[in-house]
Amino acid sequence: QKEVEQNSGPLSVPEGAIASLNCTYSDRVSQSFFWYRQYSGKSPELIMSIYSNGDKEDGRFTAQLNKASQYVSLLIRDSQPSDSATYLCAVNLYTNAGKSTFGDGTTLTVKP
Amino acid sequence: DGGITQSPKYLFRKEGQNVTLSCEQNLNHDAMYWYRQDPGQGLRLIYYSQIVNDFQKGDIAEGYSVSREKKESFPLTVTSAQKNPTAFYLCASSIASGSSSYNEQFFGPGTRLTVL
Repeated sequence: QKEVEQNSGPLSVPEGAIASLNCTYSDRVSQSFFWYRQYSGKSPELIMSIYSNGDKEDGRFTAQLNKASQYVSLLIRDSQPSDSATYLCAVNLYTNAGKSTFGDGTTLTVKP
Repeated sequence: DGGITQSPKYLFRKEGQNVTLSCEQNLNHDAMYWYRQDPGQGLRLIYYSQIVNDFQKGDIAEGYSVSREKKESFPLTVTSAQKNPTAFYLCASSIASGSSSYNEQFFGPGTRLTVL
């Protein structure tokens, strides 16, 4: 079992819809969770970080964390073609030290 | 302009050669990382350093070496022992250990290495 698993994708949604990206992790004591967006041929950029159970909203993006079920998700509301990218989930055992483990990513396509 | 720079953008290596990839940051970050990304895959950690003059192996360190003599610089050498080095190499950095946002990583633009 991989330490961090994401939907294999690809995921396709129409413009204006909600895109839902999911990530599960194996180490129950993980403390910090991140979503990165990576456009084709480019490097990843951080879009959300979450440390506590519940929802965290930033503009059209909402990260949801459920430590009991060991999953973290990213919702993108009012999806735009510019959201088309690969989304990487990353998990860390600590909040203030150590290294993160990345999932393989889910590729999202938003169709106009 | 604060950020992370990597050079070169593209690099070609002949069989049996060692090559060094540069990574420099002016963000005053303590920690730096090197990742490898193969097509359609996620990021795999090669080495990371949380402080000057100290570094740790990641998941795929064989065939690679690093140094951290300055806070701003974390060069990666791909040695001839790395049998399949063709990949996209990404350098990242994060703020000081002990900070609540320590694990938020910021990436450089990457170096594409191809073996001829």
